[in-house]
Amino acid sequence: GQQVKQSSPSLTVQEGGISILNCDYENDMFDYFAWYKKYPDNSPTLLISVRSNVDKREDGRLTVFLNKSGKHFSLHITASQPEDTAVYLCAAGAGTGSKLSFGKGAKLTVSP
Amino acid sequence: EAAVTQSPRSKVAVTGGKVTLSCHQTNNHDYMYWYRQDTGHGLRLIHYSYVADSTEKGDIPDGYKASRPSQENFSLILELASLSQTAVYFCASSDGTEVFFGKGTRLTVV
Repeated sequence: GQQVKQSSPSLTVQEGGISILNCDYENDMFDYFAWYKKYPDNSPTLLISVRSNVDKREDGRLTVFLNKSGKHFSLHITASQPEDTAVYLCAAGAGTGSKLSFGKGAKLTVSP
Repeated sequence: EAAVTQSPRSKVAVTGGKVTLSCHQTNNHDYMYWYRQDTGHGLRLIHYSYVADSTEKGDIPDGYKASRPSQENFSLILELASLSQTAVYFCASSDGTEVFFGKGTRLTVV
């Protein structure tokens, strides 16, 4: 079965608003959590990641929240901009060099 | 800058034919991966490798073989291509933390 799940396949947010993308996982051994951004016909690129020893990490407009007891992590994008429009993939893995399990992706559209 | 190069970028193959997808990385990374992307499935791991001359099965290895002849190169081989293997294939490399992806190969099996 799918180990990483993104339940909402799409999200539309007004420019300037907060975009919240969610991801649930099943494997208790996962200790690395990441969000990737993907434009059409392009490769996924890493946006932000956290290890399981922290429950929050901020990087500019991006914040990852990790809820280990709930097996849930989320990406918050503040001051959303039209160029944030893309597919966002959550991913999780266990251990160094681990193979990542990806969610199906969620299409974020930021409207002007 | 980290670089993962895939070739070809697109290919049309005949059912039952042999297909080889190539991947080359200049990151000096030990870990390399092959994923496929299908609509509605996200990225799924086919094969991966931790070291040259060794490969491991991922989550969906059936119908695929992999080869890692050197640290820099990692190939995905479809011995008998089937219609169900039409997809976009991504190669990636990692130093154990961040994963870098190639631009993908669009494979169409007809």
